Amino acid sequence: KAGVTQTPRYLIKTRGQQVTLSCSPISGHRSVSWYQQTPGQGLQFLFEYFSETQRNKGNFPGRFSGRQFSNSRSEMNVSTLELGDSALYLCASSELSDRFSGANVLTFGAGSRLTVL
Amino acid sequence: DAKTTQPNSMESNEEEPVHLPCNHSTISGTDYIHWYRQLPSQGPEYVIHGLTSNVNNRMASLAIAEDRKSSTLILHRATLRDAAVYYCILRDGAAGSARQLTFGSGTQLTVLP
Repeated sequence: KAGVTQTPRYLIKTRGQQVTLSCSPISGHRSVSWYQQTPGQGLQFLFEYFSETQRNKGNFPGRFSGRQFSNSRSEMNVSTLELGDSALYLCASSELSDRFSGANVLTFGAGSRLTVL
Repeated sequence: DAKTTQPNSMESNEEEPVHLPCNHSTISGTDYIHWYRQLPSQGPEYVIHGLTSNVNNRMASLAIAEDRKSSTLILHRATLRDAAVYYCILRDGAAGSARQLTFGSGTQLTVLP
């Protein structure tokens, strides 16, 4: 089956602009989570959605937001872009349900690489 | 999630076995041990996970110490395509625990031809 699809793969924005990134999870996966990867901070958790509800949020400012649609597709938005927002944004999906298990496995997309000038 | 410690980098020769260590001395009884790897220009990829017993799959083997304070990811015959950053992650399975993965800095594996 198709993997996790993220669009766009690459984009360039300028400071102060906003950006929307899209993620289509694996068919049947109802949980979508987002991560930011930078050379300095590594991989950091942004937020997780399940059944259109945000279940968990990382330590990021309110400029970072997201949502999930009824078909499990998800978008994340970053407003008022700063130079430090340049990063690889990764989306991951899983078959996670309310019966969370530590054995749950995530499947990641290839990411959206954002450059802020 | 409890913290893991991995070497920053390791080297291996092609077609030889590779043993990637991970220390997790503060692991709790409900923590699962997960391994992911990230190839250049790609997102992380699940490799293997286990709780108490050793595990094998088509990609690798996971050897877990009896006291669970350390584990080793074993690639039986390294190929050039195995060159990646390998992350050892503990995931708490207890109810109400954080559901996200907490990545450390991982081990950069270089495979020499």
